[in-house]
Amino acid sequence: DTGVSQDPRHKITKRGQNVTFRCDPISEHNRLYWYRQTLGQGPEFLTYFQNEAQLEKSRLLSDRFSAERPKGSFSTLEIQRTEQGDSAMYLCASSRGDGPTDTQYFGPGTRLTVL
Amino acid sequence: AQSVTQPDIHITVSEGASLELRCNYSYGATPYLFWYVQSPGQGLQLLLKYFSGDTLVQGIKGFEAEFKRSQSSFNLRKPSVHWSDAAEYFCAVGAPGTASKLTFGTGTRLQVTL
Repeated sequence: DTGVSQDPRHKITKRGQNVTFRCDPISEHNRLYWYRQTLGQGPEFLTYFQNEAQLEKSRLLSDRFSAERPKGSFSTLEIQRTEQGDSAMYLCASSRGDGPTDTQYFGPGTRLTVL
Repeated sequence: AQSVTQPDIHITVSEGASLELRCNYSYGATPYLFWYVQSPGQGLQLLLKYFSGDTLVQGIKGFEAEFKRSQSSFNLRKPSVHWSDAAEYFCAVGAPGTASKLTFGTGTRLQVTL
């Protein structure tokens, strides 16, 4: 069990550019979650996948955001036409998805800075 | 809609002193409850969780939490704090039976003085 990994750990971009983040969940975890954490706040749910199916999306996930998990393993989160308000820590979590007492395990996050 | 309140933004305790971090939730029924800790540059680490049963829950690193339905609270405690406990602590709730999204509080930053 190597834990949830995220890449890159830090990303600095200019406003208007597109960025993509990757998350590798714990092996054999069926569920994968994305959260966003801004300074001084707790994480806020963005979306989650059960295998390759995206089952829920938050209203925070605007049209500029898209997430995929094509083979039910790793996931990517893309932000198009970044804005300064997108600056945040993007956290990924995974869980077994084996019942109502499922537990989420978090990765170290990708810190995005939009200039 | 479910919500979580952590009334204390910042707490300072001396090493060796006891600690209690407060968490209150708003939910129509008994939610699933979690405490996570986040150290600088680290991801969120699960300290403990409550789903049902015994209302006093033991976690890692000597932490425990008590679920009090009448007060809608799930406070985190530790009898003797170590300097390495300095971090940000988050309480979270999840809707029972769905095990999908978590709703987090705004966190409490713990500072430990030597």
